Amino acid sequence: DAGVIQSPRHEVTEMGQEVTLRCKPISGHDYLFWYRQTMMRGLELLIYFNNNVPIDDSGMPEDRFSAKMPNASFSTLKIQPSEPRDSAVYFCASSQSSGNTIYFGEGSWLTVV
Amino acid sequence: AQSVTQLGSHVSVSEGALVLLRCNYSSSVPPYLFWYVQYPNQGLQLLLKYTSAATLVKGINGFEAEFKKSETSFHLTKPSAHMSDAAEYFCAVSQRILGNNDMRFGAGTRLTVKP
Repeated sequence: DAGVIQSPRHEVTEMGQEVTLRCKPISGHDYLFWYRQTMMRGLELLIYFNNNVPIDDSGMPEDRFSAKMPNASFSTLKIQPSEPRDSAVYFCASSQSSGNTIYFGEGSWLTVV
Repeated sequence: AQSVTQLGSHVSVSEGALVLLRCNYSSSVPPYLFWYVQYPNQGLQLLLKYTSAATLVKGINGFEAEFKKSETSFHLTKPSAHMSDAAEYFCAVSQRILGNNDMRFGAGTRLTVKP
């Protein structure tokens, strides 16, 4: 079975540029999560969706961050404009409402210089 | 809201020794509890989970964890460490509320295995 698929795996961008991270959840999963992992703050939940609707975005750091889920098989996390402090690993994950396990993608390693 | 606390950001053991990684949780409702492992430059993989069945849960790679409600703990153990166990381990909690699937993670414990 295909797992959660994220792209790009690695991105290096200059400060001020727009960054778009992409995620394809596991087919049939109706929950989608975006997490950010840094050395300083560990693993933080940024936002999660249920049936393509954002449920809780209280973890989104600021207005520069936005996330969308236009359909059940695709989500994006956008940072505009990007800053060096946004450098982190961003994980997408998905789960089923009938289940209780979250499955993670391999992560997108973002470096903003 | 639910939360977990992992005691010890770094744990070092010798190969063949007991592994004990500590996790305490806080939840206003009966929780689901999880341990995930993250190998270098990879995503998180589920090791094991507690979902209200047996309190002693066995996972992959010889790991197990015991849910102790009286102690609000869910410590991870392995009788004999292997070099390949070196990784970062995360404890996580989610609430058993239908429709509330958000999972909260601990800060992680980095396990080092010495030869």
